Amino acid sequence: AQKITQTQPGMFVQEKEAVTLDCTYDTSDPSYGLFWYKQPSSGEMIFLIYQGSYDQQNATEGRYSLNFQKARKSANLVISASQLGDSAMYFCAMREDNQGGKLIFGQGTELSVKP
Amino acid sequence: GAVVSQHPSRVICKSGTSVKIECRSLDFQATTMFWYRQFPKKSLMLMATSNEGSKATYEQGVEKDKFLINHASLTLSTLTVTSAHPEDSSFYICSASDPAGGPDEQFFGPGTRLTVL
Repeated sequence: AQKITQTQPGMFVQEKEAVTLDCTYDTSDPSYGLFWYKQPSSGEMIFLIYQGSYDQQNATEGRYSLNFQKARKSANLVISASQLGDSAMYFCAMREDNQGGKLIFGQGTELSVKP
Repeated sequence: GAVVSQHPSRVICKSGTSVKIECRSLDFQATTMFWYRQFPKKSLMLMATSNEGSKATYEQGVEKDKFLINHASLTLSTLTVTSAHPEDSSFYICSASDPAGGPDEQFFGPGTRLTVL
């Protein structure tokens, strides 16, 4: 079974608007972490935001926020005030704390920001 | 922040040759490093967990004799693609966690693009 699912292969957003990238996950481990990474065409993986399974509040980092719905097992990324430089692939990932630290990635969403 | 380097960044080789890719943690010691493979426009697929001083743990379906991993020191892990073939052409990325860091501290190398002719 897919542990991390991103159902949006591609998304378009107008510059300066907000966009939500979807991510759902599946785990029976009570302790886990959820990550979002940005991958521009250069290939580097840029860490954006992290949410721990026991964190009470939704994580925020500048223009990025994570909408963590634990009961629904979703961890959507919200990017506010989109910029042209936000155009990239975005990956959701999960680390189950009983699995030695490895990350399992979703399929990715390609975000295109239109001027 | 912590930095992970990879070398080479790009390599082109002939079919049948072996290629070694290095992953280094530059300012921290990493007892564990991870190797991922990525095809164009696709997800990162975990290949193996590299453990310093012991054998690597390979994911299901990854040929351990094909992809040799050595973690000889706390700052260096190497991935050797043996007898490379065109289907091994891919983007290989390593990552490492800083044991002294927080739960979100996993750092990725810049990746190595392998093309096998």
